[in-house]
Amino acid sequence: GDSVTQMEGPVTLSEEAFLTINCTYTATGYPSLFWYVQYPGEGLQLLLKATKADDKGSNKGFEATYRKETTSFHLEKGSVQVSDSAVYFCALGRMDSNYQLIWGAGTKLIIKP
Amino acid sequence: DTAVSQTPKYLVTQMGNDKSIKCEQNLGHDTMYWYKQDSKKFLKIMFSYNNKELIINETVPNRFSPKSPDKAHLNLHINSLELGDSAVYFCASSRRGGVGSPLHFGNGTRLTVT
Repeated sequence: GDSVTQMEGPVTLSEEAFLTINCTYTATGYPSLFWYVQYPGEGLQLLLKATKADDKGSNKGFEATYRKETTSFHLEKGSVQVSDSAVYFCALGRMDSNYQLIWGAGTKLIIKP
Repeated sequence: DTAVSQTPKYLVTQMGNDKSIKCEQNLGHDTMYWYKQDSKKFLKIMFSYNNKELIINETVPNRFSPKSPDKAHLNLHINSLELGDSAVYFCASSRRGGVGSPLHFGNGTRLTVT
């Protein structure tokens, strides 16, 4: 079945450091891929998405490129801020997924000033 | 003008009690969901409704019963609460079910069973 694997956290970085959070997936067909972010005490919110191979999603300085050859969708940001501290979830969905996203386990990101 | 609102935000109760969590969305979405998030942040879908029709009913104890009086509301009733039910429960909605429609989440209800 479909699955999403994220790097384990927590990931701890200093402010202005470069961020990569790895996400790989297993799926048949051509899924869409998503990154959601959960700030402390809040619900998840969509950060970015990509719907086909080689698409790049971007938002708030974050980027992720849909790489079908490596089945990956790694999240990157060039210079993180303390306010980026949150839990990041990678997810995939397929057209025949019956409204259900497949979620990664989440990666907690801690940015120190 | 909160998009997806849940009540209550916190719920502390004893084992064996029955409780309800309410959810309302004002986005005009057709599909609503209940998710459970455990202490390790792992997210598990419980139920999904599309236009008041149950679409997803994952392996959840039948003590959990969702009810959708209209497409803007999806409530969750839990009977005979157990310690293992302690978690954060999130309601979410989307414009239409399926790929490409982002989920809009509420801020969660933290349920503590003692």
